[in-house]
Amino acid sequence: DTEVTQTPKHLVMGMTNKKSLKCEQHMGHRAMYWYKQKAKKPPELMFVYSYEKLSINESVPSRFSPECPNSSLLNLHLHALQPEDSALYLCASSQASGMGSPLHFGNGTRLTVT
Amino acid sequence: KQEVTQIPAALSVPEGENLVLNCSFTDSAIYNLQWFRQDPGKGLTSLLLIQSSQREQTSGRLNASLDKSSGRSTLYIAASQPGDSATYLCAVITGANNLFFGTGTRLTVIP
Repeated sequence: DTEVTQTPKHLVMGMTNKKSLKCEQHMGHRAMYWYKQKAKKPPELMFVYSYEKLSINESVPSRFSPECPNSSLLNLHLHALQPEDSALYLCASSQASGMGSPLHFGNGTRLTVT
Repeated sequence: KQEVTQIPAALSVPEGENLVLNCSFTDSAIYNLQWFRQDPGKGLTSLLLIQSSQREQTSGRLNASLDKSSGRSTLYIAASQPGDSATYLCAVITGANNLFFGTGTRLTVIP
């Protein structure tokens, strides 16, 4: 069982909908990440939060809005998505204080935009 | 920018064989290298982490090596089993705590 929990596991939404993906970890990690993975491709970094502050935004469109309410939670708010945004969205965490500390991934949310 | 390549892209072996997966990276200024396994439609399971100062790590039937100067890592799987069938991803960790993922090797172990 993964120590990083993502909900929901599956999500289908229309292009005018607003939805949120949620991620939770209780390992005391202070860095949390969002990755996007298309079929048969490696994960691509979207955002990094370190100590609840956004530290990396990999030029992600504004229709994706991350939020880190506290050190254990990470959200990804979705609005006006396009069908090409359909993908597996992965959350990960690591010990922010240790440079190069391993990342722990959740099982992902499978998003389909219709 | 760091580029990570994995060869082969796909591999099929009969059960019981030993096998080696390869990973190469262009910038040797890494902190660690991490090997993951991913089952279809699932998240990533961490298999092994090699610190940049280490040469290898072992866990059960898995052994990962790192040659930082040449930009290479290998994952050795002994006595393969059908349950090992999955996609294997290597990733290098940089100072920004970012992971650069390789292109992956899809392994099929035939019973």
